[in-house]
Amino acid sequence: KNEVEQSPQNLTAQEGEFITINCSYSVGISALHWLQQHPGGGIVSLFMLSSGKKKHGRLIATINIQEKHSSLHITASHPRDSAVYICAVNPGTASKLTFGTGTRLQVTL
Amino acid sequence: ETGVTQTPRHLVMGMTNKKSLKCEQHLGHNAMYWYKQSAKKPLELMFVYSLEERVENNSVPSRFSPECPNSSHLFLHLHTLQPEDSALYLCASSQGRQGYYEQYFGPGTRLTVT
Repeated sequence: KNEVEQSPQNLTAQEGEFITINCSYSVGISALHWLQQHPGGGIVSLFMLSSGKKKHGRLIATINIQEKHSSLHITASHPRDSAVYICAVNPGTASKLTFGTGTRLQVTL
Repeated sequence: ETGVTQTPRHLVMGMTNKKSLKCEQHLGHNAMYWYKQSAKKPLELMFVYSLEERVENNSVPSRFSPECPNSSHLFLHLHTLQPEDSALYLCASSQGRQGYYEQYFGPGTRLTVT
């Protein structure tokens, strides 16, 4: 079992829908990262957070340290949001990231 | 454009070939990483270089050999690879040691071993 679990694995939404992607982890962490990977492979860092909530445009990331859970929300989804979203955590005692397998999002017109 | 470039973008090589992947970062970062991404599997860290010193080797087979001549350049030398080594190889950089800083990724090299 992976230390970082994401759900759902695949998600299809219509343009304009509100989307939630979940990430659960089993170890104590000092930081959690959300990454976006577009077809073709390039990865972009969206958020790094260790508590509370962060917002950037239509993207919102939240984390609950006690419940070992984070969510990534996309408001007013658009086809250009179609990508794989990856959650990664930094275990508190180590300096390396542990990655989830990703959530593949497809937003249709 | 993330400030991290990788060449080549695609590479097909036989099991007896020797090739190298190149990564360059233009961000002034002092840590660089090689990752392997195989289908249906999470990203796997292969190597970390911080301040030109290799600080981690995640039990990667010796047929993969990293080289970091300075803080802006990172190479991955490949020799006698196996078909299961076919994957997307991603380079990344960060201001400091990973986990505590945002990482900036290159576009990746899609490697096929025949």
